[in-house]
Amino acid sequence: GQNIDQPTEMTATEGAIVQINCTYQTSGFNGLFWYQQHAGEAPTFLSYNVLDGLEEKGRFSSFLSRSKGYSYLLLKELQMKDSASYLCAVRDSNYQLIWGAGTKLIIKP
Amino acid sequence: IAGITQAPTSQILAAGRRMTLRCTQDMRHNAMYWYRQDLGLGLRLIHYSNTAGTTGKGEVPDGYSVSRANTDDFPLTLASAVPSQTSVYFCASSDEGGKGYTEAFFGQGTRLTVV
Repeated sequence: GQNIDQPTEMTATEGAIVQINCTYQTSGFNGLFWYQQHAGEAPTFLSYNVLDGLEEKGRFSSFLSRSKGYSYLLLKELQMKDSASYLCAVRDSNYQLIWGAGTKLIIKP
Repeated sequence: IAGITQAPTSQILAAGRRMTLRCTQDMRHNAMYWYRQDLGLGLRLIHYSNTAGTTGKGEVPDGYSVSRANTDDFPLTLASAVPSQTSVYFCASSDEGGKGYTEAFFGQGTRLTVV
């Protein structure tokens, strides 16, 4: 079967750095997405990786290793507004998105 | 309308009743999706449509039906609601023409409670 694993919850301090990991086992691979979802709101797109390596976008970076079935989202200079759930999703061989359950990130002052 | 809009925002529905969740997008995206999101689970695909006039079944299609008469609208119907269909429903769309990098845009969600 297809599976996306992420930690359920993480806690970090304002101003610090946090890394959210995602491992996947899917039938084929056509890209990996990270989305942010604030409580009670819709998911919004953060990043996309299809080749191995690091993609940087401001305070957020995302890394992919296809051989290891592994990605991480790195958030720097954490702000209180970064408190949200972070969803990892992989597009499989049928170009359908398979979603992880999400990681709830709690930022403390 | 800007982006993708769902209606209603929330609904309490008696078991056995029929209900249609509406979804409209103005981005001219060819692909549209319906997901349900339950606590502790990832978004699960109910039905999808790659282009107007075509639909397909996702991971959890039972008890739901969809139609795609035109590019903009993608309604989801529960023929006879059951309590296990209590969930938050998200409609999404994306431009999947080239199957390259495409992001999905989500509606604000419909919180449905079946009692």
